[in-house]
Amino acid sequence: GNSVTQMEGPVTLSEEAFLTINCTYTATGYPSLFWYVQYPGEGLQLLLKATKADDKGSNKGFEATYRKETTSFHLEKGSVQVSDSAVYFCALLGIQGAQKLVFGQGTRLTINP
Amino acid sequence: SQTIHQWPATLVQPVGSPLSLECTVEGTSNPNLYWYRQAAGRGLQLLFYSVGIGQISSEVPQNLSASRPQDRQFILSSKKLLLSDSGFYLCAWSWSMSSYEQYFGPGTRLTVT
Repeated sequence: GNSVTQMEGPVTLSEEAFLTINCTYTATGYPSLFWYVQYPGEGLQLLLKATKADDKGSNKGFEATYRKETTSFHLEKGSVQVSDSAVYFCALLGIQGAQKLVFGQGTRLTINP
Repeated sequence: SQTIHQWPATLVQPVGSPLSLECTVEGTSNPNLYWYRQAAGRGLQLLFYSVGIGQISSEVPQNLSASRPQDRQFILSSKKLLLSDSGFYLCAWSWSMSSYEQYFGPGTRLTVT
């Protein structure tokens, strides 16, 4: 079945550091890929998406590129801010059956000033 | 524009008591609806999804149930809560004919004591 694996957290960085959160997936065919963000005490918000191989999703300075050859969708940001502190979830939407998102376990990111 | 509401925002219930969480969506019709649970320190688990009124699919056997009495209303219930039911419950919706992202509500934090 479909699955998503994220790098273990928590991740702690200093402000303006470079961020990478790794995400790899297992799926049949070409799923759509997503990054969601959950700020403290809130629900999930879609951060960015990519629907086909080599697509790059971007939003709020974050980027992720859909790499079919490595089945990866790593999240990157060049200079993080304290306000980026949150839990980040990688997810995929398969091409078969009902629209069921499969989430990774989440990575907690803390940015220190 | 579309909005999704959940209530209550927080709930503390004793073991063995009943549960009713409500989710409503505004600004769209015939959405797909979803209930997720996020246990402490863990990822998201899909509990139920619905593609139409009265149509409920269960992903995980448990003492919870879901109902969809109206097109844009989704209810999560239990007759007798267990300690293991504690967690953060998220409702989400998606366009019924699209293969794209889901939109999440603000969530309900349930503590079973």
